[in-house]
Amino acid sequence: DAGVIQSPRHEVTEMGQEVTLRCKPISGHDYLFWYRQTMMRGLELLIYFNNNVPIDDSGMPEDRFSAKMPNASFSTLKIQPSEPRDSAVYFCASSLGPRMNTEAFFGQGTRLTVV
Amino acid sequence: DQQVKQNSPSLSVQEGRISILNCDYTNSMFDYFLWYKKYPAEGPTFLISISSIKDKNEDGRFTVFLNKSAKHLSLHIVPSQPGDSAVYFCAAWDGSQGNLIFGKGTKLSVKP
Repeated sequence: DAGVIQSPRHEVTEMGQEVTLRCKPISGHDYLFWYRQTMMRGLELLIYFNNNVPIDDSGMPEDRFSAKMPNASFSTLKIQPSEPRDSAVYFCASSLGPRMNTEAFFGQGTRLTVV
Repeated sequence: DQQVKQNSPSLSVQEGRISILNCDYTNSMFDYFLWYKKYPAEGPTFLISISSIKDKNEDGRFTVFLNKSAKHLSLHIVPSQPGDSAVYFCAAWDGSQGNLIFGKGTKLSVKP
């Protein structure tokens, strides 16, 4: 398996524009996580899915953020409208879940810059 | 409020010496703990883990210690190597849920 695949790797957009980040989890993993990394907050959990169903979105900062997982092999994180303070690195991760001896595998991240 | 805390943003160690990275947590429901390592422009990669039924797990140069009563865990790297220079994240998993919570990370610099 190629691992968790995120696209794009870099995104520069103007304030007010819609941004869509994409993630393909590892096949067979039933948990998918979206994280945001900033200097202030470290790796901040935004939302996670179990079997394509959003379980906890309490980390989503505002209504401008939304995430979907239409099927087991694809998820999106959308920001509309984007603001400069959304600039960060966004990571997607997938896992078999909170079981013994399992871990979450991360993608390489999307560096978002909103100007 | 942070459930997983790494209070040292950075740590500098001489090559060959021991590196000790610390992590504290507040949620007693956490039952599985992981350490991740992150290089610039890459995603975090899994390093070592420990379940709450153990107090120590060792893998080569890396050992994780868990003190449940103190809600504290630490990662020991012996001997430290320049290639270990990275940001280390502590993470905790609540077995009854799926949210994997990370600390802010500690940047380790190992000097030759």
